[in-house]
Amino acid sequence: GEKVEQHQSTLSVREGDSAVINCTYTDTASSYFPWYKQEAGKSLHFVIDIRSNVDRKQSQRLTVLLDKKAKRFSLHITATQPEDSAIYFCAASKGGLSGKLTFGEGTQVTVIS
Amino acid sequence: EAAVTQSPRSKVAVTGGKVTLSCHQTNNHDYMYWYRQDTGHGLRLIHYSYVADSTEKGDIPDGYKASRPSQENFSLILELASLSQTAVYFCASSDAGFQDTQYFGPGTRLLVL
Repeated sequence: GEKVEQHQSTLSVREGDSAVINCTYTDTASSYFPWYKQEAGKSLHFVIDIRSNVDRKQSQRLTVLLDKKAKRFSLHITATQPEDSAIYFCAASKGGLSGKLTFGEGTQVTVIS
Repeated sequence: EAAVTQSPRSKVAVTGGKVTLSCHQTNNHDYMYWYRQDTGHGLRLIHYSYVADSTEKGDIPDGYKASRPSQENFSLILELASLSQTAVYFCASSDAGFQDTQYFGPGTRLLVL
C-alpha cells in the first residue's frame, strides 16, 4: 500500500523566516495531497491541498509544490509567525473508495521569536 | 462551520473490557472515518463509512468494530480492549470521500490499563 514519509520530525525556524516541510510517497497513482495542522493539545484541521493536475498551489503564506517524477511534495510557509508553531501532517490518496488517505508521521514546527 | 463531536473526550478502560467511542457530525457528510494517533506517529485509518448501515475496513481494523446507524453517527467499538489500544482516537467526516477535506473531531484519549 501507499507509504508517506516526512523526513523531518522537527523543524525550528526564526520568526519571519521561511519553513519548508518535505514529504515523499510511493504510489504513482496518488493524485491528491492535503496538509493538516495540529496545534498543541488540539485536533487536526485542513490547511491546504494540491492535486496532481498542477504542480504548485498557493494560499496566502502557504505554498505547496508537487514533483510527480520524484514522488515528492512540500509545504512552504513564508514569513512565519508564532501561531504557525504546530505539527504538520502531509497525506496522499489515489482516489476512489480504495484510495484511502495515508498520513505521514508529522513534523513539529517551532517558530522562535 | 463543520462540526464533529466525540464522546467521551477521555476514558480509562480495563483490559478485556468493552469500550464504545461515539462520533456525531452535523455537516450532512456521507463519509465518516475513525483514526488512531499514537505518540510520535501520524494518523492510521481504522474504519470508515460512506453510507449509513455500512462500514468498511481501513488499514488497521483488527480488534475494532464500527457501526454507522445513521448519517450523523459513527461509533467505534473495542470488544476486548487491550493495552496496545491505548491511543488518541479521532473521528472525521468529509463530503466527497478521501479526496475531499476531512473535518476532525476533538479526539478521545483512551487509556487501557
